[in-house]
Amino acid sequence: AQKITQTQPGMFVQEKEAVTLDCTYDTSDQSYGLFWYKQPSSGEMIFLIYQGSYDEQNATEGRYSLNFQKARKSANLVISASQLGDSAMYFCAMREPSDLTGGGNKLTFGTGTQLKVEL
Amino acid sequence: KAGVTQTPRYLIKTRGQQVTLSCSPISGHRSVSWYQQTPGQGLQFLFEYFSETQRNKGNFPGRFSGRQFSNSRSEMNVSTLELGDSALYLCASSSRGGERNIQYFGAGTRLSVL
Repeated sequence: AQKITQTQPGMFVQEKEAVTLDCTYDTSDQSYGLFWYKQPSSGEMIFLIYQGSYDEQNATEGRYSLNFQKARKSANLVISASQLGDSAMYFCAMREPSDLTGGGNKLTFGTGTQLKVEL
Repeated sequence: KAGVTQTPRYLIKTRGQQVTLSCSPISGHRSVSWYQQTPGQGLQFLFEYFSETQRNKGNFPGRFSGRQFSNSRSEMNVSTLELGDSALYLCASSSRGGERNIQYFGAGTRLSVL
């Protein structure tokens, strides 16, 4: 079974500073996908960034980058130049490989990290 | 392009009642998944539908069911509601399965069971 661990329940960062949110995972699959989502207090889950297990380079999307260390099974999210609007809950998630029935979109989520950006 | 639409946004029910939640995926997306989010259990996968067929199911009792229509819209139903069913129910859509497929979520339906 897959498992995602986020060990930081809460984090504080100063505006304009960079912050790293930790995520480790456990899986016996060779092929998998790792995701980060942001959830503001409104409840909607917003997709941020994706890393495939076979990707040789770390994923980047604007101010978001993923520090992917496959041997250590970690996929930490780095947010550069933090903004007040970045205050939210952040979830790391893993997707199982596609199965033969055409499914394969089940995500396993971590417990999340509550990020607070301060002036 | 419109995002994933979930209706209603808020719902209050009493124990023993049943409830139906609706999810309209992004246009062109054929896969719809449902998740339950509670403070105690976090985010848990309920089920996934693709081309009107349930492809995967999480570890939930039979009171939780769903279906998908030919236009890819999906509904989930919870019968005989219990207090513990109070949660945020999130729907996600994607174009298909596969390595690089991204799931996009709706704003959720917040269900309160009294």
